Amino acid sequence: AQKVTQAQTEISVVEKEDVTLDCVYETRDTTYYLFWYKQPPSGELVFLIRRNSFDEQNEISGRYSWNFQKSTSSFNFTITASQVVDSAVYFCALSEAKGNTPLVFGKGTRLSVIA
Amino acid sequence: KAGVTQTPRYLIKTRGQQVTLSCSPISGHRSVSWYQQTPGQGLQFLFEYFSETQRNKGNFPGRFSGRQFSNSRSEMNVSTLELGDSALYLCASNFAPNAYGYTFGSGTRLTVV
Repeated sequence: AQKVTQAQTEISVVEKEDVTLDCVYETRDTTYYLFWYKQPPSGELVFLIRRNSFDEQNEISGRYSWNFQKSTSSFNFTITASQVVDSAVYFCALSEAKGNTPLVFGKGTRLSVIA
Repeated sequence: KAGVTQTPRYLIKTRGQQVTLSCSPISGHRSVSWYQQTPGQGLQFLFEYFSETQRNKGNFPGRFSGRQFSNSRSEMNVSTLELGDSALYLCASNFAPNAYGYTFGSGTRLTVV
């Protein structure tokens, strides 16, 4: 069965610090997709990234970067030079290609960036 | 283009009543999924529809049901409401199941009193 673990429940950083959000997943499928979503106080889940299991290249998008390591079943998310607007709950999610299973979410990490 | 639209945004119902929530996906998207979010259980999958057919269903009682119309709009219904049904209900749309990243709506916050 698929499972996503986000061990960090809450993180608090000072503006301009770098912060890494951890995500560890479990799946028996060889083809799967990993996602990160951001949930600001408004409640909407904002899509950040989707990565398939065959693409282990790290990705950078502005201040955001993602480190995908199949060897440790991790898909970590780093925010560089954090800003107050980054304050939100961040969710990591997994879906398996076989059967087009729905997204399974981790419990989320609440990030607070203090000015 | 317009995003995923969920109505209503807020709802207060009494135990025992039933409720219908609506979701209009992004134009061109034919997959609609529903999730329940609570502080205790987090985000839990309810069901997914694609081209009017239910493709997947989560582990929820039969009081939770849904459907999708030919224009891809979807509704979910909860009958005989219980206090524990109080939650944020989120709808997500995609071109097809797992086609790319799912786009979520702002949700409907249901409070059962």
